[in-house]
Amino acid sequence: GAGVSQSPRYKVAKRGQDVALRCDPISGHVSLFWYQQALGQGPEFLTYFQNEAQLDKSGLPSDRFFAERPEGSVSTLKIQRTQQEDSAVYLCASSFLSYNSPLHFGNGTRLTVT
Amino acid sequence: KQEVTQIPAALSVPEGENLVLNCSFTDSAIYNLQWFRQDPGKGLTSLLLIQSSQREQTSGRLNASLDKSSGRSTLYIAASQPGDSATYLCAVIKAAGNKLTFGGGTRVLVKP
Repeated sequence: GAGVSQSPRYKVAKRGQDVALRCDPISGHVSLFWYQQALGQGPEFLTYFQNEAQLDKSGLPSDRFFAERPEGSVSTLKIQRTQQEDSAVYLCASSFLSYNSPLHFGNGTRLTVT
Repeated sequence: KQEVTQIPAALSVPEGENLVLNCSFTDSAIYNLQWFRQDPGKGLTSLLLIQSSQREQTSGRLNASLDKSSGRSTLYIAASQPGDSATYLCAVIKAAGNKLTFGGGTRVLVKP
């Protein structure tokens, strides 16, 4: 596709449920990032992939958060046993190179945990 | 730890006025700085990318300057239009790093 695609667009989960958020990056983009954006704030880094390798997961807030990109294209962010503080917009971004190319962001998945 | 601050948090101007958005960062060891635009309910759109060796970048009505030594960048938007209403975020990537550190954004409203 022409841009980064994320699904679902909105997700409502009851506390304790597991959720999976999908990201389809721009074809050919090596780098893929996940960010978490709370209301009224800038995005916060979660994790980074270069192809299928997860090179940095220092931003994942707890071991309930898990991300994968098994074939170096589509990525999934999984949150187990969701908590209310997990409510946020989860943004995926891709770029051809990690540090010297503009990032292309998807429209995000808004997660609400009730 | 790198901290990025954007002041003001919100700005309202009449149409036609020039916009000046400020961004400051605490660690000058950056690789580049990027300015993004975010519309409500949308992702971020990259506006300008300034390499650490550059002083400014221009694209149409947008001009961004970078003073790495003082830890500051300014985004200028000339002759603002109602369609410029959005949140503008700056972000830096540290040298030899790969993740962006974002400021909190400046929410801009251009009144017709």
